[in-house]
Amino acid sequence: GQNIDQPTEMTATEGAIVQINCTYQTSGFNGLFWYQQHAGEAPTFLSYNVLDGLEEKGRFSSFLSRSKGYSYLLLKELQMKDSASYLCAVRDRDYKLSFGAGTTVTVRA
Amino acid sequence: IAGITQAPTSQILAAGRRMTLRCTQDMRHNAMYWYRQDLGLGLRLIHYSNTAGTTGKGEVPDGYSVSRANTDDFPLTLASAVPSQTSVYFCASSDGGGGDTQYFGPGTRLTVL
Repeated sequence: GQNIDQPTEMTATEGAIVQINCTYQTSGFNGLFWYQQHAGEAPTFLSYNVLDGLEEKGRFSSFLSRSKGYSYLLLKELQMKDSASYLCAVRDRDYKLSFGAGTTVTVRA
Repeated sequence: IAGITQAPTSQILAAGRRMTLRCTQDMRHNAMYWYRQDLGLGLRLIHYSNTAGTTGKGEVPDGYSVSRANTDDFPLTLASAVPSQTSVYFCASSDGGGGDTQYFGPGTRLTVL
């Protein structure tokens, strides 16, 4: 099984940078995903890491260290529309996802 | 292209009633999934199907059943609803395998009284 931990809440100012950490313990690691979920909406895919290192996609970057069971999602140049929950999910060898409880990010003007 | 649709959008149900949540995808994805999302617990997998004709149990399968008669549809049935099944239910689909991504439907908000 998977044990996935991420902070419950974070607050940041518009234009700033926020880093959301995710730690996991897994019996069979096969990739890590980050999803964004606005209140009352479905989760939407942000990023995927299966090898160690940094994946950059515009204002969003995701980092993975498999040996440390650690990932982070970096949100740069924060905008008000980035206020949402960010979900860390670990995939096992059967291609099933286990999700963390999510981190609610509030962006203030 | 609609992607994934779910019905109903929301439902209030008396305890003990039977209820089927519908999920349809038009992306010809092999794999489909049902999750429930509860405050503070995140998304938890109920049942999944890797391909039409096969299903499997997830983390919280008790009280739920699924079927996968074809590629597009993956209904979730609550045989006799209980208040603890009050939740938001999301259906998702993916190509299956490799670096594939799960895409989520809009969700069904279910309240069992």
